[in-house]
Amino acid sequence: DGGITQSPKYLFRKEGQNVTLSCEQNLNHDAMYWYRQDPGQGLRLIYYSQIVNDFQKGDIAEGYSVSREKKESFPLTVTSAQKNPTAFYLCASGGQGLGRDYGYTFGSGTRLTVV
Amino acid sequence: LAKTTQPISMDSYEGQEVNITCSHNNIATNDYITWYQQFPSQGPRFIIQGYKTKVTNEVASLFIPADRKSSTLSLPRVSLSDTAVYYCLVAWDTGRRALTFGSGTRLQVQP
Repeated sequence: DGGITQSPKYLFRKEGQNVTLSCEQNLNHDAMYWYRQDPGQGLRLIYYSQIVNDFQKGDIAEGYSVSREKKESFPLTVTSAQKNPTAFYLCASGGQGLGRDYGYTFGSGTRLTVV
Repeated sequence: LAKTTQPISMDSYEGQEVNITCSHNNIATNDYITWYQQFPSQGPRFIIQGYKTKVTNEVASLFIPADRKSSTLSLPRVSLSDTAVYYCLVAWDTGRRALTFGSGTRLQVQP
């Protein structure tokens, strides 16, 4: 059953710690994305990758880092430089091909809380 | 990417038909119109996509006039479980593009 898996579902971070959020997909999608969502708000793009070993900054990349060593995996590290990391983090992967367009498939999200 | 405008919120009652309109005046020739649904604490879910005229699936219908400058998502006979945020996006090859999701339309269905 194809899909996109985020883990963990809930994550607690102490001040000054780096934490890594996992995102894995078995949809054979080239493109993967990380979004942040704050309460009552829309989604804001953090980083995206359209091919293995390449990624670009989104609108709010400061304090975050990513890697794309495998097509299936796109982990997000929230560093201590991110001053307000408490949020809901969503990973997505994108279908391929022109013409008929399949949009994104999203994971179920990771809720990160600073304690 | 085409800018979209949709209402911030809508209220309805169970059993009613709900229509959410999205304006996209500068839609390009290659652009598709895609709608997503998001429940609290979940990722958005693709619900319907269209290019022109009418598209219908098991969840919703999408109406697109000839000039394609707007589109209307229609949810027939809503239930409490349709309470969610609905996002309208306009772009081509959206699976491989970094997209901006606005605040969407927050639909509240009352009993």
